Amino acid sequence: ETGVTQSPTHLIKTRGQQVTLRCSSQSGHNTVSWYQQALGQGPQFIFQYYREEENGRGNFPPRFSGLQFPNYSSELNVNALELDDSALYLCASRRQGGVQETQYFGPGTRLLVL
Amino acid sequence: SQELEQSPQSLIVQEGKNLTINCTSSKTLYGLYWYKQKYGEGLIFLMMLQKGGEEKSHEKITAKLDEKKQQSSLHITASQPSHAGIYLCGAGRSGNTPLVFGKGTRLSVIA
Repeated sequence: ETGVTQSPTHLIKTRGQQVTLRCSSQSGHNTVSWYQQALGQGPQFIFQYYREEENGRGNFPPRFSGLQFPNYSSELNVNALELDDSALYLCASRRQGGVQETQYFGPGTRLLVL
Repeated sequence: SQELEQSPQSLIVQEGKNLTINCTSSKTLYGLYWYKQKYGEGLIFLMMLQKGGEEKSHEKITAKLDEKKQQSSLHITASQPSHAGIYLCGAGRSGNTPLVFGKGTRLSVIA
Protein backbone atom coordinates (compact mmCIF):
# COMPACT_ATOMS: atom_id res chain seq x y z
CA GLU A 1 0.00 0.00 0.00
CA THR A 2 1.38 3.39 -1.02
CA GLY A 3 -1.14 5.55 0.81
CA VAL A 4 -2.22 7.13 -2.49
CA THR A 5 -5.81 6.47 -3.51
CA GLN A 6 -7.66 7.23 -6.73
CA SER A 7 -11.30 7.25 -7.76
CA PRO A 8 -13.09 5.94 -9.64
CA THR A 9 -11.25 2.74 -10.55
CA HIS A 10 -12.94 2.46 -13.95
CA LEU A 11 -14.90 4.87 -16.11
CA ILE A 12 -16.59 4.75 -19.51
CA LYS A 13 -17.36 7.97 -21.39
CA THR A 14 -18.26 8.94 -24.92
CA ARG A 15 -16.43 11.30 -27.24
CA GLY A 16 -16.97 14.96 -26.43
CA GLN A 17 -17.86 14.39 -22.80
CA GLN A 18 -15.96 15.73 -19.82
CA VAL A 19 -14.44 13.68 -16.99
CA THR A 20 -13.02 14.37 -13.53
CA LEU A 21 -10.62 11.96 -11.88
CA ARG A 22 -9.63 12.23 -8.21
CA CYS A 23 -6.52 11.49 -6.20
CA SER A 24 -5.82 11.54 -2.49
CA SER A 25 -2.13 11.94 -1.72
CA GLN A 26 -0.09 10.25 0.93
CA SER A 27 -0.10 12.16 4.20
CA GLY A 28 2.62 14.82 4.34
CA HIS A 29 3.10 14.94 0.58
CA ASN A 30 2.78 18.41 -0.96
CA THR A 31 3.38 17.57 -4.61
CA VAL A 32 1.17 15.58 -6.93
CA SER A 33 1.85 14.55 -10.51
CA TRP A 34 -0.53 13.05 -13.04
CA TYR A 35 0.49 10.59 -15.73
CA GLN A 36 -1.30 8.99 -18.67
CA GLN A 37 -0.39 5.41 -19.54
CA ALA A 38 -1.62 4.05 -22.84
CA LEU A 39 -1.71 0.31 -23.36
CA GLY A 40 1.78 -1.14 -23.78
CA GLN A 41 3.49 2.18 -23.03
CA GLY A 42 5.22 3.74 -20.08
CA PRO A 43 3.47 6.53 -18.17
CA GLN A 44 3.58 9.98 -19.80
CA PHE A 45 3.76 13.08 -17.61
CA ILE A 46 0.69 15.34 -17.83
CA PHE A 47 1.29 17.99 -15.15
CA GLN A 48 2.41 18.55 -11.60
CA TYR A 49 1.02 20.61 -8.72
CA TYR A 50 2.93 21.97 -5.76
CA ARG A 51 1.10 23.80 -3.00
CA GLU A 52 -2.00 24.23 -5.18
CA GLU A 53 -0.09 25.75 -8.13
CA GLU A 54 0.73 24.04 -11.40
CA ASN A 55 4.53 24.01 -11.64
CA GLY A 56 5.20 21.73 -14.57
CA ARG A 57 3.40 20.45 -17.62
CA GLY A 58 4.06 17.81 -20.22
CA ASN A 59 3.04 17.78 -23.86
CA PHE A 60 -0.72 17.71 -23.29
CA PRO A 61 -3.32 20.18 -24.62
CA PRO A 62 -5.14 22.71 -22.41
CA ARG A 63 -8.25 20.53 -22.29
CA PHE A 64 -6.31 18.59 -19.66
CA SER A 65 -6.49 20.65 -16.49
CA GLY A 66 -6.10 20.07 -12.80
CA LEU A 67 -6.56 21.29 -9.28
CA GLN A 68 -4.81 20.64 -6.00
CA PHE A 69 -6.63 21.35 -2.75
CA PRO A 70 -5.28 22.52 0.64
CA ASN A 71 -5.51 18.97 1.97
CA TYR A 72 -3.28 17.90 -0.97
CA SER A 73 -5.99 15.94 -2.70
CA SER A 74 -6.22 16.70 -6.40
CA GLU A 75 -8.30 16.39 -9.55
CA LEU A 76 -7.58 15.82 -13.20
CA ASN A 77 -10.20 17.20 -15.58
CA VAL A 78 -10.36 16.33 -19.25
CA ASN A 79 -12.75 18.20 -21.54
CA ALA A 80 -13.94 17.25 -25.00
CA LEU A 81 -12.85 13.65 -24.66
CA GLU A 82 -11.25 11.95 -27.66
CA LEU A 83 -10.90 8.25 -28.38
CA ASP A 84 -7.12 8.50 -27.82
CA ASP A 85 -7.73 9.65 -24.25
CA SER A 86 -8.54 6.03 -23.38
CA ALA A 87 -5.78 5.05 -20.96
CA LEU A 88 -4.82 4.36 -17.37
CA TYR A 89 -4.46 7.63 -15.47
CA LEU A 90 -2.04 7.55 -12.57
CA CYS A 91 -1.39 10.08 -9.87
CA ALA A 92 1.80 10.14 -7.85
CA SER A 93 2.59 12.09 -4.72
CA ARG A 94 5.79 13.05 -2.98
CA ARG A 95 7.13 15.51 -0.46
CA GLN A 96 9.07 18.09 -2.42
CA GLY A 97 12.26 19.08 -0.70
CA GLY A 98 15.89 19.68 -1.45
CA VAL A 99 16.78 16.14 -2.43
CA GLN A 100 15.44 13.57 -4.83
CA GLU A 101 12.18 12.37 -3.39
CA THR A 102 10.51 9.13 -4.34
CA GLN A 103 7.12 9.37 -6.03
CA TYR A 104 4.44 7.00 -4.76
CA PHE A 105 1.75 6.00 -7.20
CA GLY A 106 -1.92 5.31 -6.78
CA PRO A 107 -3.66 2.30 -8.35
CA GLY A 108 -4.91 4.35 -11.30
CA THR A 109 -8.20 5.08 -13.02
CA ARG A 110 -8.87 3.24 -16.25
CA LEU A 111 -10.75 5.47 -18.68
CA LEU A 112 -12.43 4.14 -21.79
CA VAL A 113 -13.72 6.63 -24.35
CA LEU A 114 -16.21 5.26 -26.88
CA SER B 1 14.46 15.48 -24.14
CA GLN B 2 15.54 12.44 -22.23
CA GLU B 3 14.51 9.03 -23.51
CA LEU B 4 14.76 5.67 -21.80
CA GLU B 5 14.98 2.41 -23.71
CA GLN B 6 14.31 -0.87 -21.95
CA SER B 7 15.35 -4.32 -23.08
CA PRO B 8 14.06 -6.85 -23.55
CA GLN B 9 10.46 -5.79 -24.19
CA SER B 10 9.24 -9.08 -22.79
CA LEU B 11 10.75 -12.06 -21.06
CA ILE B 12 9.52 -15.54 -20.19
CA VAL B 13 11.64 -17.44 -17.68
CA GLN B 14 11.29 -20.70 -15.85
CA GLU B 15 10.81 -20.46 -12.11
CA GLY B 16 14.16 -20.51 -10.33
CA LYS B 17 16.11 -18.94 -13.19
CA ASN B 18 17.98 -15.65 -13.01
CA LEU B 19 17.23 -12.74 -15.33
CA THR B 20 18.39 -9.22 -16.15
CA ILE B 21 16.48 -6.22 -17.48
CA ASN B 22 18.32 -3.21 -18.89
CA CYS B 23 17.47 0.47 -19.07
CA THR B 24 19.55 2.81 -21.25
CA SER B 25 19.24 6.57 -21.21
CA SER B 26 19.94 9.04 -24.01
CA LYS B 27 21.33 11.47 -21.41
CA THR B 28 23.12 11.30 -18.08
CA LEU B 29 20.78 10.08 -15.39
CA TYR B 30 20.21 12.21 -12.33
CA GLY B 31 18.07 9.70 -10.48
CA LEU B 32 16.99 6.33 -11.81
CA TYR B 33 13.92 4.62 -10.42
CA TRP B 34 12.72 1.06 -10.84
CA TYR B 35 9.02 0.33 -10.45
CA LYS B 36 6.97 -2.83 -10.82
CA GLN B 37 3.44 -2.81 -12.19
CA LYS B 38 0.88 -5.55 -12.16
CA TYR B 39 -1.20 -5.44 -15.32
CA GLY B 40 -3.52 -2.43 -15.26
CA GLU B 41 -2.55 -1.39 -11.75
CA GLY B 42 -0.46 1.29 -10.14
CA LEU B 43 3.33 1.34 -9.91
CA ILE B 44 5.10 -0.15 -6.91
CA PHE B 45 8.40 1.50 -6.01
CA LEU B 46 11.33 -0.91 -5.94
CA MET B 47 14.56 1.10 -5.79
CA MET B 48 16.18 4.43 -6.60
CA LEU B 49 19.78 4.86 -7.71
CA GLN B 50 21.55 8.15 -7.87
CA LYS B 51 25.31 7.71 -7.78
CA GLY B 52 27.46 6.27 -10.53
CA GLY B 53 28.42 2.69 -9.68
CA GLU B 54 25.68 2.44 -7.07
CA GLU B 55 24.11 -0.93 -6.39
CA LYS B 56 21.09 -1.71 -4.23
CA SER B 57 19.39 -4.95 -3.32
CA HIS B 58 16.03 -5.85 -1.89
CA GLU B 59 15.24 -9.49 -1.30
CA LYS B 60 16.15 -11.19 -4.59
CA ILE B 61 16.24 -8.05 -6.73
CA THR B 62 19.44 -6.09 -7.36
CA ALA B 63 19.68 -2.86 -9.32
CA LYS B 64 22.87 -1.21 -10.54
CA LEU B 65 23.69 2.15 -12.11
CA ASP B 66 26.79 2.26 -14.27
CA GLU B 67 29.69 4.65 -13.62
CA LYS B 68 28.71 6.94 -16.47
CA LYS B 69 25.13 7.07 -15.19
CA GLN B 70 23.57 6.26 -18.54
CA GLN B 71 22.58 2.65 -18.03
CA SER B 72 20.94 0.67 -15.26
CA SER B 73 20.25 -3.03 -14.88
CA LEU B 74 17.78 -4.91 -12.73
CA HIS B 75 18.71 -8.47 -11.84
CA ILE B 76 16.38 -11.02 -10.29
CA THR B 77 17.88 -14.12 -8.72
CA ALA B 78 15.96 -17.39 -8.52
CA SER B 79 12.78 -15.96 -10.05
CA GLN B 80 9.38 -16.81 -8.57
CA PRO B 81 5.83 -16.42 -9.91
CA SER B 82 5.43 -13.41 -7.60
CA HIS B 83 8.08 -11.60 -9.67
CA ALA B 84 5.82 -11.59 -12.73
CA GLY B 85 4.68 -8.17 -13.91
CA ILE B 86 5.87 -5.15 -15.86
CA TYR B 87 9.13 -3.55 -14.78
CA LEU B 88 9.50 0.14 -15.56
CA CYS B 89 12.54 2.35 -15.26
CA GLY B 90 11.98 6.06 -14.75
CA ALA B 91 14.37 8.99 -14.57
CA GLY B 92 14.19 12.56 -13.34
CA ARG B 93 16.20 15.34 -14.95
CA SER B 94 16.84 16.89 -11.55
CA GLY B 95 15.78 16.59 -7.95
CA ASN B 96 12.14 17.48 -8.17
CA THR B 97 11.14 17.09 -11.78
CA PRO B 98 8.62 14.55 -12.97
CA LEU B 99 9.74 11.24 -14.32
CA VAL B 100 10.31 10.05 -17.86
CA PHE B 101 9.63 6.34 -18.20
CA GLY B 102 10.72 3.56 -20.47
CA LYS B 103 8.06 1.42 -22.14
CA GLY B 104 8.51 -1.38 -19.66
CA THR B 105 9.61 -5.01 -19.69
CA ARG B 106 6.89 -7.62 -19.29
CA LEU B 107 8.13 -10.56 -17.21
CA SER B 108 6.37 -13.91 -17.06
CA VAL B 109 7.59 -16.67 -14.74
CA ILE B 110 6.43 -20.18 -15.54
CA ALA B 111 6.51 -23.18 -13.25
